[in-house]
Amino acid sequence: QQQVKQSPQSLIVQKGGISIINCAYENTAFDYFPWYQQFPGKGPALLIAIRPDVSEKKEGRFTISFNKSAKQFSLHIMDSQPGDSATYFCAASSAPRGSGGGADGLTFGKGTHLIIQP
Amino acid sequence: DVKVTQSSRYLVKRTGEKVFLECVQDMDHENMFWYRQDPGLGLRLIYFSYDVKMKEKGDIPEGYSVSREKKERFSLILESASTNQTSMYLCASSSGGTGGALGYGYTFGSGTRLTVV
Repeated sequence: QQQVKQSPQSLIVQKGGISIINCAYENTAFDYFPWYQQFPGKGPALLIAIRPDVSEKKEGRFTISFNKSAKQFSLHIMDSQPGDSATYFCAASSAPRGSGGGADGLTFGKGTHLIIQP
Repeated sequence: DVKVTQSSRYLVKRTGEKVFLECVQDMDHENMFWYRQDPGLGLRLIYFSYDVKMKEKGDIPEGYSVSREKKERFSLILESASTNQTSMYLCASSSGGTGGALGYGYTFGSGTRLTVV
């Protein structure tokens, strides 16, 4: 059962354009929604994250839009640059369920391979 | 610079071998995770640990076990490697604990690409 659905699988955007990646989730217990960026040969790195008490979060050219009622969130990359070419993963996690209040793991989408053409 | 270090970038093992993947973090993080990454499937959680000697199964634990004897080290063990375990394995750590920092500050290692022949 895939709890976080990500689309599109791949995306080509012209330099200077807006890149949009969408994710939908099913588990209403999720309360933390990060986006990760991964370059070839590297592990994923946290890009930006949001909690469901806000509808939008912006950091530089990167914006997360969050729609709690629709259980959807999206990443917008404004003025996309060739250096943004990477694989992007959305993810979600919920409150701890393990004994002793330990951490639970992130559930990831399947990833979007983004190519920004010069 | 804080980091998560995975001992090997590339490994080639034979079917049936016992394989150890090692991960060390220097951030004094409580939580550590093992994921595998496969094309078209994203990252899938194998096991995680929120304390020394504690472990929890993730979504795909079959064929794997883990060990966490020290806070900074989290090992993934393939008891008898099979070809369907050929994959990229990613270790991650995060701070947190009871009720806090869920998913915050996940730091990933660069991965170990394991090929089982």
